[in-house]
Amino acid sequence: DAGITQSPRHKVTETGTPVTLRCHQTENHRYMYWYRQDPGHGLRLIHYSYGVKDTDKGEVSDGYSVSRSKTEDFLLTLESATSSQTSVYFCAISGPLQGMSSGNTIYFGEGSWLTVV
Amino acid sequence: AQSVSQHNHHVILSEAASLELGCNYSYGGTVNLFWYVQYPGQHLQLLLKYFSGDPLVKGIKGFEAEFIKSKFSFNLRKPSVQWSDTAEYFCAVNQDTNAGKSTFGDGTTLTVKP
Repeated sequence: DAGITQSPRHKVTETGTPVTLRCHQTENHRYMYWYRQDPGHGLRLIHYSYGVKDTDKGEVSDGYSVSRSKTEDFLLTLESATSSQTSVYFCAISGPLQGMSSGNTIYFGEGSWLTVV
Repeated sequence: AQSVSQHNHHVILSEAASLELGCNYSYGGTVNLFWYVQYPGQHLQLLLKYFSGDPLVKGIKGFEAEFIKSKFSFNLRKPSVQWSDTAEYFCAVNQDTNAGKSTFGDGTTLTVKP
């Protein structure tokens, strides 16, 4: 398995509070992504990053922000959590390795289960 | 925009039966194709991938998939399923330029009865 660690793995939070999920990789891959997985919707891309301080929106980015200050860390923040953001969040990484030019396979972290009450 | 369609939402088979899960995509350019498996409570793991070359791709655990360009299809097959194959299966497609902007199908849940 790729070296991807997500934290926290499980969290319950109240509506209106900010929440930050962390993704840490040890693979030196260039690309990092945050997906959410919901029944009936499959996997949907929230935000992604193609390098340090380079991020872009995915298809369901409203209510989320991200930051990538180091190659190995990609943070997802729910600015003011809502019940519709109750979901399983997966971080993913893909090549190329920093400084190289190719790589398309995505590897997933183990997921973070978030419940907003 | 590219899209991925998985025809079956839930498939139920008995052990030793043969499996074929359908996947069709809509994009006319060069694509990379993937099948992932997600066991209950776990993350997605790569089963197999197709970038170029032989359209019949073999993956882990006895799975294979065939890319048929004329049909925009990438169906997953296994000759004889086991109870341990019970999982959800996702087809995905992306293009060379940005691996992460992959599009996933909605998934097919496979239940194998012992």
